[in-house]
Amino acid sequence: RKEVEQDPGPFNVPEGATVAFNCTYSNSASQSFFWYRQDCRKEPKLLMSVYSSGNEDGRFTAQLNRASQYISLLIRDSKLSDSATYLCVVNKILTGGGNKLTFGTGTQLKVEL
Amino acid sequence: DTGVSQDPRHKITKRGQNVTFRCDPISEHNRLYWYRQTLGQGPEFLTYFQNEAQLEKSRLLSDRFSAERPKGSFSTLEIQRTEQGDSAMYLCASSPGAGGQETQYFGPGTRLLVL
Repeated sequence: RKEVEQDPGPFNVPEGATVAFNCTYSNSASQSFFWYRQDCRKEPKLLMSVYSSGNEDGRFTAQLNRASQYISLLIRDSKLSDSATYLCVVNKILTGGGNKLTFGTGTQLKVEL
Repeated sequence: DTGVSQDPRHKITKRGQNVTFRCDPISEHNRLYWYRQTLGQGPEFLTYFQNEAQLEKSRLLSDRFSAERPKGSFSTLEIQRTEQGDSAMYLCASSPGAGGQETQYFGPGTRLLVL
């Protein structure tokens, strides 16, 4: 079983739609959680951190359920520019304080006119 | 541009050849990471440096792979006797090294194709 599991999609949605992505993780020792965005043939970029209390950044809302080991991302009023792959990421602190990021396979979103 | 830089951006090589990639982290970032991403997958952790010390290596890093960060600034990743399965994007990331949980900033990656 993969440590971080996501539905690979693609999710094809019309502009203005609300879309939700989910992810589960297996390592209960994971210490922090993120969503990264990756455009085609580019590097991943941090979209937002995810907290148990839920957090919002403009049209994006992320939520963590530690008991269920479940992470979600909600995108409201989707734009063409939101088309990308969204990577669910869990973090573990390493020896010396570094961070090991474990990525899901990513969920591909295509926003259409 | 003061972000993470990687060189070369693309590399095509024949099976059995050695290749070396370079990563220049963001200035004054103490932590440097290497990841590998194959098609349709998320990046996978390979190794991590705190200054010049290599503190963690993944089991993915076979004995054909070696990484260095000799002066605690730039890093190199060498793959010896390349195999077709080594074809992937190799990503470097850096973080300040001031705290336990930090944002990692990724470079543009080096795309390797082994023929």
